[in-house]
Amino acid sequence: EPEVTQTPSHQVTQMGQEVILRCVPISNHLYFYWYRQILGQKVEFLVSFYNNEISEKSEIFDDQFSVERPDGSNFTLKIRSTKLEDSAMYFCASSPTVQGANYGYTFGSGTRLTVV
Amino acid sequence: KQEVTQIPAALSVPEGENLVLNCSFTDSAIYNLQWFRQDPGKGLTSLLLIQSSQREQTSGRLNASLDKSSGRSTLYIAASQPGDSATYLCAAMNYGGSQGNLIFGKGTKLSVKP
Repeated sequence: EPEVTQTPSHQVTQMGQEVILRCVPISNHLYFYWYRQILGQKVEFLVSFYNNEISEKSEIFDDQFSVERPDGSNFTLKIRSTKLEDSAMYFCASSPTVQGANYGYTFGSGTRLTVV
Repeated sequence: KQEVTQIPAALSVPEGENLVLNCSFTDSAIYNLQWFRQDPGKGLTSLLLIQSSQREQTSGRLNASLDKSSGRSTLYIAASQPGDSATYLCAAMNYGGSQGNLIFGKGTKLSVKP
């Protein structure tokens, strides 16, 4: 069964450093998403991406965050200057259609980001 | 703004018991509803997707129902097993906006005792 692949599985970074989280969505999917889950909290929406541009973004997704699809397979989330409160599990997801109609979203296994 | 609530927050049952997990949402104008399983420190595994026009979906020992008018969905697990121990999340699919399309509840942590 097709999977969404995320790397690395765990990243530790110093406060103020830049991090790039990587995702390979399912190959025939057109819509890509980043979500995050702070320990013990709900899974929260960050951003959706379609046709090489951001479709929607949440209030969390401020100027410190950016997304990119640098080639035909990768989808990245960059945090420019990490803060302690950015520590969370970051999930990438993809879907073949808008709103996941008939298929839902497929999530990756996540990248645990720890900012120290 | 859509709010998704799951009750109970935690549930412990003996092996073999049938159980029901509850999910409620405040905005009934959803597109679909998806149930996920999350093992500790792991990703989200999709279990069932119910379209807004459907009343229920079944997969093996799992059955999910949807009542849009009352803003409720349930996940029924038959003959529970220790391997079912995990956190179960429901997520309502909205029509976009700054909340995004998929809005999650906080989950029900299920523990099935041998």
